Amino acid sequence: DSGVTQTPKHLITATGQRVTLRCSPRSGDLSVYWYQQSLDQGLQFLIQYYNGEERAKGNILERFSAQQFPDLHSELNLSSLELGDSALYFCASSVTVAGNTIYFGEGSWLTVV
Amino acid sequence: GESVGLHLPTLSVQEGDNSIINCAYSNSASDYFIWYKQESGKGPQFIIDIRSNMDKRQGQRVTVLLNKTVKHLSLQIAATQPGDSAVYFCAENTGNQFYFGTGTSLTVIP
Repeated sequence: DSGVTQTPKHLITATGQRVTLRCSPRSGDLSVYWYQQSLDQGLQFLIQYYNGEERAKGNILERFSAQQFPDLHSELNLSSLELGDSALYFCASSVTVAGNTIYFGEGSWLTVV
Repeated sequence: GESVGLHLPTLSVQEGDNSIINCAYSNSASDYFIWYKQESGKGPQFIIDIRSNMDKRQGQRVTVLLNKTVKHLSLQIAATQPGDSAVYFCAENTGNQFYFGTGTSLTVIP
């Protein structure tokens, strides 16, 4: 158990819908990362937050957004869902922004039908 | 029809043998590296890390070797067990970003 908690574990939704994935980082970790893992693209970095502020952006679509709250939990919002958004979405956390181990949650499996 | 997916390098080893998984990284400025193990349907699990000021680091049954000259990282697993079957990938840290390799699928044959 990495200490990173993600909910829901599984989610099935229709195209055009909107979903919110939630992540609680490890106790004491200030930085949260979101990654997408799909069959044809491996592990893709989406976005990073540190202590409530956005620190880095990767290949995140405009239909996707995220935030980190004062209690350090984070949410990833996915809207206008398309079939191609079906993937495993991982949250990871680390103590600081750089140079420290990042620990992953078990992921949220999103299926868009 | 034929399914399209990420074609991972594969490695099959006999139970009890040693495994060596390789990773080439891209950025000579990367100063921190991590090996992860990912079992099917689960999140990547930290195995071992190494900083760029080291060439070798050992853990329990695992050893990571870093060759900065050729930008190469390897993970050695001693006495490989069936529970070691998984996808292994390396991550390199540059600045505040981690970049992940595509992974190697390890299968342990009992």
